[in-house]
Amino acid sequence: ILNVEQSPQSLHVQEGDSTNFTCSFPSSNFYALHWYRWETAKSPEALFVMTLNGDEKKKGRISATLNTKEGYSYLYIKGSQPEDSATYLCAFETSYDKVIFGPGTSLSVIP
Amino acid sequence: DAGVTQSPTHLIKTRGQQVTLRCSPKSGHDTVSWYQQALGQGPQFIFQYYEEEERQRGNFPDRFSGHQFPNYSSELNVNALLLGDSALYLCASSLDRNGYTFGSGTRLTVV
Repeated sequence: ILNVEQSPQSLHVQEGDSTNFTCSFPSSNFYALHWYRWETAKSPEALFVMTLNGDEKKKGRISATLNTKEGYSYLYIKGSQPEDSATYLCAFETSYDKVIFGPGTSLSVIP
Repeated sequence: DAGVTQSPTHLIKTRGQQVTLRCSPKSGHDTVSWYQQALGQGPQFIFQYYEEEERQRGNFPDRFSGHQFPNYSSELNVNALLLGDSALYLCASSLDRNGYTFGSGTRLTVV
């Protein structure tokens, strides 16, 4: 059974703090690793899709890294803002076109 | 450019009843995947449709079935509803595995 884990489960930070979360996934049958931001009452929004070991992606204050050999990805948020409050989901896509989501990390940024 | 559209947004059904949820994919997308998200969990993969056929299936019983139409829209049917089927049902569309676009989901409550 393929399992994707995320830590921490939830996080509360002060506005301006930088933070990071972890996504762990199987190191075999890897095709891609996705990160999504999911705000309450909205659709999950795609942040990054990473396919190569060592990939680093950046979008504004948010960046992500990928290590496919050891099976983990980090998501970093620099200078957190209240609008960053959301659940951050990672999803592991296998080489046989199956996508398994992690349980998510819930981030609350306190003004 | 319309994103993924799901209907209805909310639904209340009684145990034992049947329900049909609908999804229109993003323009240009040909693959539709369905996910169930129970409270406090990440989305769980139900199945994926491509070229009007079920291509992949997660660990869901046969009570969960689906269909894809020639215009790529899709339906999710659940028979003999159980209280445990209460969840948010998300539809995601994609093209050539270039990331997934999600709808806002259908909130199903079984009483």
